[in-house]
Amino acid sequence: DAKTTQPPSMDCAEGRAANLPCNHSTISGNEYVYWYRQIHSQGPQYIIHGLKNNETNEMASLIITEDRKSSTLILPHATLRDTAVYYCIVRVIDNYGQNFVFGPGTRLSVLP
Amino acid sequence: ETGVTQSPTHLIKTRGQQVTLRCSSQSGHNTVSWYQQALGQGPQFIFQYYREEENGRGNFPPRFSGLQFPNYSSELNVNALELDDSALYLCASSLPPGGRETQYFGPGTRLLVL
Repeated sequence: DAKTTQPPSMDCAEGRAANLPCNHSTISGNEYVYWYRQIHSQGPQYIIHGLKNNETNEMASLIITEDRKSSTLILPHATLRDTAVYYCIVRVIDNYGQNFVFGPGTRLSVLP
Repeated sequence: ETGVTQSPTHLIKTRGQQVTLRCSSQSGHNTVSWYQQALGQGPQFIFQYYREEENGRGNFPPRFSGLQFPNYSSELNVNALELDDSALYLCASSLPPGGRETQYFGPGTRLLVL
């Protein structure tokens, strides 16, 4: 089972920031938080990941709470092309069976 | 674009047949993972290949099998197809297990079993 919970859907106005929350209350110390998104019928697209510190790249920012029990993905200026299902995943780093456990994700609709 | 390619893009088979799906990994990536995504659901992990050997498996029956070749490309084989095998099959490539590797996904193969 997925170790994260996300709202099933969210709306955001075009040009505004989209803030997508994720709860991962059972996260372990060696588990990273990853975010992917999937536009209809395409392969999931990597967005960002982090362990403890906040992270930023050209696509988004990831804010992780100090206790690491939740995080927020921020798309600073959402566009219509950001409409997609967003998956928050926690993933242990070890030498065996590397895989991601996907939940149902959050369906983000960016509205004009 | 991730550099991960999959073929074919679409496929129609009938129940009981066998199917082979192919994946070429991103340059420099020697680990390939396969996922099944049913309509309306998130991807589900099938198995991973590293150094041409299976390196972990999800909750899928033995009729789902795979191969990895010396050039790191991979195949997913499914025998005795069932209607519920209809799905989008995704492969993802990454650096070796044990690091902070990120998996990069291909566009998928959509399989329809009639």
